[in-house]
Amino acid sequence: DTGVSQNPRHKITKRGQNVTFRCDPISEHNRLYWYRQTLGQGPEFLTYFQNEAQLEKSRLLSDRFSAERPKGSFSTLEIQRTEQGDSAMYLCASSLKLAGNYGYTFGSGTRLTVV
Amino acid sequence: GESVGLHLPTLSVQEGDNSIINCAYSNSASDYFIWYKQESGKGPQFIIDIRSNMDKRQGQRVTVLLNKTVKHLSLQIAATQPGDSAVYFCAENIVGTQKLVFGQGTRLTINP
Repeated sequence: DTGVSQNPRHKITKRGQNVTFRCDPISEHNRLYWYRQTLGQGPEFLTYFQNEAQLEKSRLLSDRFSAERPKGSFSTLEIQRTEQGDSAMYLCASSLKLAGNYGYTFGSGTRLTVV
Repeated sequence: GESVGLHLPTLSVQEGDNSIINCAYSNSASDYFIWYKQESGKGPQFIIDIRSNMDKRQGQRVTVLLNKTVKHLSLQIAATQPGDSAVYFCAENIVGTQKLVFGQGTRLTINP
């Protein structure tokens, strides 16, 4: 286990379709985060899990977005009825703790293009 | 080379020179700050972090300076190498939350 793994790397979908992304964190990390990054911008926080509990959600996470981490290991992020404005890189990160360089590690992301 | 002001999208320096990337953060309640490097097609990579009870921290070829009075953070990279070319983001953690708030980033280009 060498890092945070995200699948797929790229996804092209038609407007109105549903998409689901998967994140496999570093195995001993109990904290998992989802961020969204648009071109030329820094990542924006979407949501945070500690084990299987979703403890923080951003206002960016509209009703069309849902994230789960059912067994406290991998996580999925689903977007329903996609819109062109959803086109972005979706990044997952995991850590043991937030501060002090406890391995807050990002994956390489899933790039979503809505056409 | 040095980036100044709240936002300067690009910074070009000669290989071997030192570079300084600046960042103005927004929230005086932030207590933890991180610098990330992001190469094309990859996720952000941790470089160095600093807590609000410190004003300087050094790593290998990198130094982070924190000025809480003016809410300013800087990243100094010594003896830049071609592999340092990337976009650099500062990020702040607001007390009581688990989220990081990222700045817009600076693209650093190392000229041979």
